[in-house]
Order: sequence, then C-alpha cells, then structure tokens
Amino acid sequence: QKEVEQDPGPLSVPEGAIVSLNCTYSNSAFQYFMWYRQYSRKGPELLMYTYSSGNKEDGRFTAQVDKSSKYISLFIRDSQPSDSATYLCAGTSGTYKYIFGTGTRLKVLA
Amino acid sequence: SQTIHQWPATLVQPVGSPLSLECTVEGTSNPNLYWYRQAAGRGLQLLFYSVGIGQISSEVPQNLSASRPQDRQFILSSKKLLLSDSGFYLCAWSVQGGETQYFGPGTRLLVL
Repeated sequence: QKEVEQDPGPLSVPEGAIVSLNCTYSNSAFQYFMWYRQYSRKGPELLMYTYSSGNKEDGRFTAQVDKSSKYISLFIRDSQPSDSATYLCAGTSGTYKYIFGTGTRLKVLA
Repeated sequence: SQTIHQWPATLVQPVGSPLSLECTVEGTSNPNLYWYRQAAGRGLQLLFYSVGIGQISSEVPQNLSASRPQDRQFILSSKKLLLSDSGFYLCAWSVQGGETQYFGPGTRLLVL
C-alpha cells in the first residue's frame, strides 16, 4: 500500500464548476499536508498547506484535512481553464521526508 | 523572498556520458535540500537529501550521486549515464523541520 494514494484522473469539468480533488494516506504521524499544482514540464508549485485537521481557505481554493479518516481534499471554486494542471497532495510528519501522491490530472473545459 | 534555481532546463546526453545538474537556493540559510526524479505519469521519487554542507543521504541506490559543496548549492552527478536515467529532475528545499517544500523549475534529461 502506498503511503499516499491519489486518483490519477484525468478529471474533466466545465468552466465554473466546483472541483473536488482527494487523497488518502496511511501514516498516522503526518502532521502537515500540502497541495501542489504542476503544469506540464514545470516544477510543482505550492498551493496550500495545512497543519493537522481542519480547513484552510485561500481565494478560490479550500484545503481540508480529516485525520480521523486520513483523508485530504482540495476544493476549487469557479474553476478556470488556467486551473488545468496536475495536482499533487503530500504529507509529512515534520521531519525531512515528504510523501507525495502520484497526482490527479485536471482539465477545465472552456 | 526565497528563490530556487536549476540548470540546465533541458539536457540531451548520450549513454555513458557524465552528468552534472546544479541547484541553488537564495534567500534562506541552512535549508534542507532534495533531489527528486519524476518519470512520465509517475510520482516523485526521492533520490537524495541533505541537511547540511557535505551531508548527503541516498534514498535509492543507483549510478547517481549528490554533493553539497556550499550551504545553498546542491549538485546531482553521474559518471556514466544509463538510458533509464532519463526523466524530469527536480530540486527542492525546506527549512529544517519545516512544514512544506518548495520546488525548482526542473531539468528535463533525455539519455539517448
């Protein structure tokens, strides 16, 4: 079992839709959780990170962590074609090691 | 603010040739530094990480090596490239015990 599991997609949605991206993880020691956006042939760009359980909002993006079910979510409101990218989730216990999902490809159709 | 640089952006090398990829970080001191490889359609594979000058830990035994000659400089090397070394190489940094990582723009390596 991978430490972080993520549906590879692709996920196709119409412009303006609410997008839900999800990950599950198995390591109970994870305290910090991250979402990255990666455009083709570019390095991953940090979107948001959260500590422990709870929600965090930044503009159109909301990150949610449920440690009881080991579930991580990223919601994108009013999705735009420019949101089309691969989204990576990750977790860490605060040591040197960061564990990433394999990414979900998102396509927002104009 | 912090910035991470990687070069070159793209590299095409013949099998058996040497490799040197460089990464530098600006705007922070004593960062943790990382090298990852990302194969097409696959996740990030951690290759090396470093918590200080001259301190290198290898996650995956292979024909690659890493060095950290200065606090904010991380180098990935190989004496002889294999076809299987092709991929997208990413450098990243974090603060010591930090809650997140930041990635560079990446180097696309094609070994022919």
